[in-house]
Amino acid sequence: GQQLNQSPQSMFIQEGEDVSMNCTSSSIFNTWLWYKQDPGEGPVLLIALYKAGELTSNGRLTAQFGITRKDSFLNISASIPSDVGIYFCAGRSPSGNTPLVFGKGTRLSVIA
Amino acid sequence: KAGVTQTPRYLIKTRGQQVTLSCSPISGHRSVSWYQQTPGQGLQFLFEYFSETQRNKGNFPGRFSGRQFSNSRSEMNVSTLELGDSALYLCASSLDSSSNEKLFFGSGTQLSVL
Repeated sequence: GQQLNQSPQSMFIQEGEDVSMNCTSSSIFNTWLWYKQDPGEGPVLLIALYKAGELTSNGRLTAQFGITRKDSFLNISASIPSDVGIYFCAGRSPSGNTPLVFGKGTRLSVIA
Repeated sequence: KAGVTQTPRYLIKTRGQQVTLSCSPISGHRSVSWYQQTPGQGLQFLFEYFSETQRNKGNFPGRFSGRQFSNSRSEMNVSTLELGDSALYLCASSLDSSSNEKLFFGSGTQLSVL
């Protein structure tokens, strides 16, 4: 089946620093989604991307749909303590009714 | 608009028992997907329902089953529980099952099997 490799697995950063994480796929996708999950809660949708090369922002978050359609990036600028959580990428194949595939997540810790 | 509602929030069962989890999607959403989340494994796809029909199924044993009702509410059932079934079970809904639809998740049901 499809595999999503998300990196890094975890990050410890100082408050105010910028953060970058990425996701790569073994096959092309036509949708990339980024989610954040707080402890004990379900993932919350942050950004949705639908076209190769697309760059979309949501406040301090910016995500890009890679040109090859096999990768996506999420950047967080000027991190704050409430950015702590697990960030998941997810992608969907263009072929038929296929489910959303998730990466294993990037655990972000912010040191005040 | 209310979000995705999952009940119960927490559940403790013993090996060999069965369990039924419930999910009410966002009003107007017709597609419901279920995922299993365990530490270090991320979200593993279980199944997806649309208009009371199973559209996709993940690589889980037949002990895991589900259904969707005419009001789009969904249930999943796990029979003959094993210790390894302990996980957070997440339900997500979307408008339909087209490839560009975003999934919106509930808070999950935390299942512990003793």
